[in-house]
Amino acid sequence: GQNIDQPTEMTATEGAIVQINCTYQTSGFNGLFWYQQHAGEAPTFLSYNVLDGLEEKGRFSSFLSRSKGYSYLLLKELQMKDSASYLCAVRDRLTGGGNKLTFGTGTQLKVEL
Amino acid sequence: DSGVTQTPKHLITATGQRVTLRCSPRSGDLSVYWYQQSLDQGLQFLIQYYNGEERAKGNILERFSAQQFPDLHSELNLSSLELGDSALYFCASSVDGTGENEQFFGPGTRLTVL
Repeated sequence: GQNIDQPTEMTATEGAIVQINCTYQTSGFNGLFWYQQHAGEAPTFLSYNVLDGLEEKGRFSSFLSRSKGYSYLLLKELQMKDSASYLCAVRDRLTGGGNKLTFGTGTQLKVEL
Repeated sequence: DSGVTQTPKHLITATGQRVTLRCSPRSGDLSVYWYQQSLDQGLQFLIQYYNGEERAKGNILERFSAQQFPDLHSELNLSSLELGDSALYFCASSVDGTGENEQFFGPGTRLTVL
């Protein structure tokens, strides 16, 4: 089975940097995704890591350590519109082919003035 | 706009009823995924179809079923509805069936069971 842990809530200040951590336990790891979801809306893709290291994409970066079962999403120069839920999702290889994406329960980020 | 469409946007029904949710994937995408998101459970994978065939199964109840048609749109059928089935139901699509590629999510259908 899978277990994905991320903090429930975080608060940060506009213009600052925030790091959202995600730890996971899985049997057939095949990649980790970060999605952003505003309340009542669809999740939107932010980043993807399958190898160890840092992936940078504008104000957003994501890091993966497969040996530690650990990832983080780094958001720089925070803006009010970054207030949302951030979902960590782990992709597992399935026996018989295909992959399954399992989502964590999300970290609700609140950006304050 | 992800290019994935879902209808209806909202659905209100009573316990014991049956409903059908519809999803059209992005143009060119062959895989469709269904997810359920309730307040206390987060986003739960239900089922995946690839080019008309079931590819992977998640936490889908026996009261629920899905299919993908030759034009690649998909329907999720929910029957004998219970109060606990109230949730947002998302459809996502990706270009192939391996799960290797990014999934694009539709706007969701909010189901309320009274």
